[in-house]
Amino acid sequence: DAGITQSPRHKVTETGTPVTLRCHQTENHRYMYWYRQDPGHGLRLIHYSYGVKDTDKGEVSDGYSVSRSKTEDFLLTLESATSSQTSVYFCAISVAGDSYNEQFFGPGTRLTVL
Amino acid sequence: SQQGEEDPQALSIQEGENATMNCSYKTSINNLQWYRQNSGRGLVHLILIRSNEREKHSGRLRVTLDTSKKSSSLLITASRAADTASYFCATDMGYSTLTFGKGTMLLVSP
Repeated sequence: DAGITQSPRHKVTETGTPVTLRCHQTENHRYMYWYRQDPGHGLRLIHYSYGVKDTDKGEVSDGYSVSRSKTEDFLLTLESATSSQTSVYFCAISVAGDSYNEQFFGPGTRLTVL
Repeated sequence: SQQGEEDPQALSIQEGENATMNCSYKTSINNLQWYRQNSGRGLVHLILIRSNEREKHSGRLRVTLDTSKKSSSLLITASRAADTASYFCATDMGYSTLTFGKGTMLLVSP
């Protein structure tokens, strides 16, 4: 998994509670991404980061916030979890070069919101 | 809306047969990539084809790209049971992000 870890790997929580997922990389890559994967929707981008304190929204950012205070950590926060946020969340890093952006994925976090 | 759409959604074949899956997209791209996902795991990068390339090979994988039709195909030759997975195309339009399709589920039976 290219030195990418996600924690927790599984979480069950209740509607309305805050949840923070952590993505950690060991290789000092600049770009990091958070995706969610749902049946019938494939993989959708939530937020991404292009450096410490530099983040931008993706396709499905509503209800999510992110922070990146260190190069190695990218946090995804659900301020008040809803059942529609039940999903599998993947973090990825990018190995980018001239005209390409190849991504490596973490193992995923399965989140269930009751 | 999804930039890339794979076809078929599901494919079932026998070991030794070839598997072909297709991806169509809507706008101009820098490159197109294919990823594999085994059940319960993260995606794994398989191959990248640039917009100025028409065909690329990697082991038993062959990828083609037709920019005039905005489509790509992934061919896996001599499939094995271990090739059972979901396969996703991803388009890179040069904005530091990738847009993934919904995937093709491939089942290879012994």
